[in-house]
Amino acid sequence: QKEVEQDPGPLSVPEGAIVSLNCTYSNSAFQYFMWYRQYSRKGPELLMYTYSSGNKEDGRFTAQVDKSSKYISLFIRDSQPSDSATYLCAMSGFGNYGGSQGNLIFGKGTKLSVKP
Amino acid sequence: EAQVTQNPRYLITVTGKKLTVTCSQNMNHEYMSWYRQDPGLGLRQIYYSMNVEVTDKGDVPEGYKVSRKEKRNFPLILESPSPNQTSLYFCASSPRGVPTKNQPQHFGDGTRLSIL
Repeated sequence: QKEVEQDPGPLSVPEGAIVSLNCTYSNSAFQYFMWYRQYSRKGPELLMYTYSSGNKEDGRFTAQVDKSSKYISLFIRDSQPSDSATYLCAMSGFGNYGGSQGNLIFGKGTKLSVKP
Repeated sequence: EAQVTQNPRYLITVTGKKLTVTCSQNMNHEYMSWYRQDPGLGLRQIYYSMNVEVTDKGDVPEGYKVSRKEKRNFPLILESPSPNQTSLYFCASSPRGVPTKNQPQHFGDGTRLSIL
């Protein structure tokens, strides 16, 4: 199966808060894990990319992958109003999950609002 | 400027009237893909292409056709559109199938189709 679960929110936080966004998945064949940010009326843009398990940090953003729990997270530190957007997790893999490396499976997206 | 260009941006048409949404990228990317985005369902992959003359079904290919005769173009064809194909469509490209931070997947700005 290819399902990816993501809480759609909306999530509203005050400026400066730490934001935690999460996705769970059921298929252990996923190997590549991504987070995209989508502003209203625009296409998604890649924020973070992780291969297999572990953490990756980029400025105020940290992505975590826990393959044993089939759980991925995105943390945003010192959140800003400009972070207000919809955040989508996405996954891909190879092997027996019914797809191939080019077949990206997205979560439904979490809408985040950061209030000044 | 690196970009993915979709046309048209907006289209209202009627059931059964064949239409084509064009997608062109200027980055010499091998991988291109089409998605549809619907409220509550998120971003779902329709078709993707790993290279010229190589196309594969995504998760929701029914009712759509694609072709990849040259690297830069990846049109989406609706032979007989129906109301359930009313959606926001995105084309994307990347150097290879799974995007990385240094080789991100670039999305177009979307095409909003309404099938009456």
